[in-house]
Amino acid sequence: EDKVVQSPLSLVVHEGDTVTLNCSYEVTNFRSLLWYKQEKKAPTFLFMLTSSGIEKKSGRLSSILDKKELSSILNITATQTGDSAIYLCASNGGNTGKLIFGQGTTLQVKP
Amino acid sequence: DADVTQTPRNRITKTGKRIMLECSQTKGHDRMYWYRQDPGLGLRLIYYSFDVKDINKGEISDGYSVSRQAQAKFSLSLESAIPNQTALYFCATSDSDNSYEQYFGPGTRLTVT
Repeated sequence: EDKVVQSPLSLVVHEGDTVTLNCSYEVTNFRSLLWYKQEKKAPTFLFMLTSSGIEKKSGRLSSILDKKELSSILNITATQTGDSAIYLCASNGGNTGKLIFGQGTTLQVKP
Repeated sequence: DADVTQTPRNRITKTGKRIMLECSQTKGHDRMYWYRQDPGLGLRLIYYSFDVKDINKGEISDGYSVSRQAQAKFSLSLESAIPNQTALYFCATSDSDNSYEQYFGPGTRLTVT
């Protein structure tokens, strides 16, 4: 059965800290791993990692795919209160176009 | 205007009632999805549709049905609502050429009493 597991499930840090969120996947015919950020509304897309694009960066956020370990990390440096959100990881499910989501990591950044 | 819209945004209903959640999109995408979100469980797929004539069950389809009325519209129905269907429901779309990136609607918060 395809599955995606995230850790930790919740995290509390202070502004300026660096955080690392983890995602492991076991899916049939892996094609891509995606990260989304969800504030008090719909998830918004952050990154998509594939076998041909294993590292992505945007500002203070970066993500790496480890195909050997079947995992990915999302790093956020110099955290700000606006980074407080649920971070969702997802991978493709088999040969279909659907996504399998992890449980999410709830990040709280305190001033 | 939002690319993916959902109606209603909030709904409180009673056990046993039939309820329909609607989703519309202006992105021109072929693929549409319905998810529910519960605390600590992430997003779980209820149904998905890759075109108007192609509808598939997701991992938690029991108690739900869907209708793809047009490329742009995908509705989710609860035939007889029960309290454990209280959740946040999201509609999403994706393009068949870049199908893994999905775009989400604002969500419908459903409470079944």
